[in-house]
Order: sequence, then C-alpha cells, then structure tokens
Amino acid sequence: DAKTTQPPSMDCAEGRAANLPCNHSTISGNEYVYWYRQIHSQGPQYIIHGLKNNETNEMASLIITEDRKSSTLILPHATLRDTAVYYCIVRVTNSGNTPLVFGKGTRLSVIA
Amino acid sequence: GAVVSQHPSWVICKSGTSVKIECRSLDFQATTMFWYRQFPKQSLMLMATSNEGSKATYEQGVEKDKFLINHASLTLSTLTVTSAHPEDSSFYICSARPDRRGFTGELFFGEGSRLTVL
Repeated sequence: DAKTTQPPSMDCAEGRAANLPCNHSTISGNEYVYWYRQIHSQGPQYIIHGLKNNETNEMASLIITEDRKSSTLILPHATLRDTAVYYCIVRVTNSGNTPLVFGKGTRLSVIA
Repeated sequence: GAVVSQHPSWVICKSGTSVKIECRSLDFQATTMFWYRQFPKQSLMLMATSNEGSKATYEQGVEKDKFLINHASLTLSTLTVTSAHPEDSSFYICSARPDRRGFTGELFFGEGSRLTVL
C-alpha cells in the first residue's frame, strides 16, 4: 500500500508556480521521499528525491517539513508540457530490491 | 544516461496467443528490474521483481505461469504474456535500478508497452 496521501487533482496557470503537496505522516527515518510524474501513455519520469533537506534540480524543488511528515514539490514556472500525474513515494533509497509503490497521485492540469 | 527501452511500444494480438515484451537498460547494468501493469485511469501496479540469474518474485494475485519473466542478462528482462485474453489488455511498464556505485536510488522506467488482446 502507498504510504502517501495526495490531492487527486490540481490546476495551475501556465507560467505560474505549481505547488504539489504530499502527506507521509508514517515515514520512517531511513525512508526518502521520491517524486515521479507520468505523462499520458508514457512511463513514469523521475523528478527529484530527498531525505530531510530541501532539494533543487533543473526540473523542480522539493521542500520537506522539519518533522518530515509532509512535503511539497514545486515546479517554478509550469508549462503545458508539465500536465501529468505526479506521484509522491516514500522508499528506502539504497535497497536495490525495493520497488516503487505507486499511489493514485495528483493529476496536474496546466492551463494556458 | 540511465535509459530504459521497451519493445514493442504497442502490440495487438488474438486471444490465445503469447506476446513477449522486452525491457533493456541501454547504458547501465541492472541486476534488478521490476514489471508493472497499468489499467486505464488507474495507477501502476507492481507485478513482479526480476533478478538476473534467478527466478522472478511475483506479487500476490499475479499468476507466474501466465506472466513468464526471464532476466537472462544484466541489461535485458523479458515478460511473456502466455495465452493472452482480452482482460490482459493493459499498459505494461518495466523499471530498472542501476548497479553502479554511488547511485542514489532512483529507478528508471521504460516507455511502456500497450497490449491489446482481441
């Protein structure tokens, strides 16, 4: 079972920041927060992951609360191509045999 | 880097036939690969964990004799849907974790293979 809770859908205006929340109140100390997205009829795409510090890469920023019970994925300037289902997943990072368990995710619609 | 490729991208077959889907890691070796299935408007469901040189581990409710998995090399895993029926029509997706040192744990996914059984 997925250990995260996400809103089922969100809208965002093109060019604005998209802030996608995720609750993971039962996260363990050795579990990381991963974000993936799936554009229609494609395989999931890795976005970012983190343990407790905020992380940023060329795609997005990840803000994790101090108690690690929730996080927010930020797409700073959303484009129409960012329309996708976004999945927040918790997982022990270096466990090679541990798969990703997907919840229902958030369907982000970027609107022109 | 970290590209995973699936073939075919889509396939249509008659009921009762078998279909093989290939998953290749193009620029890394992967001892472990995962197979998922996704029905329309649903999330990805893990089917099995594929380990090079050993038998795959199947999730509860997934028939191992129907979904044959062969992970014969560190860059190739195959999923064969045997005696396919219309209810097997789905989007099949593979995922791989690079074996290389210093890797931070993310998994990479193939483009998916859409199977339609008539």
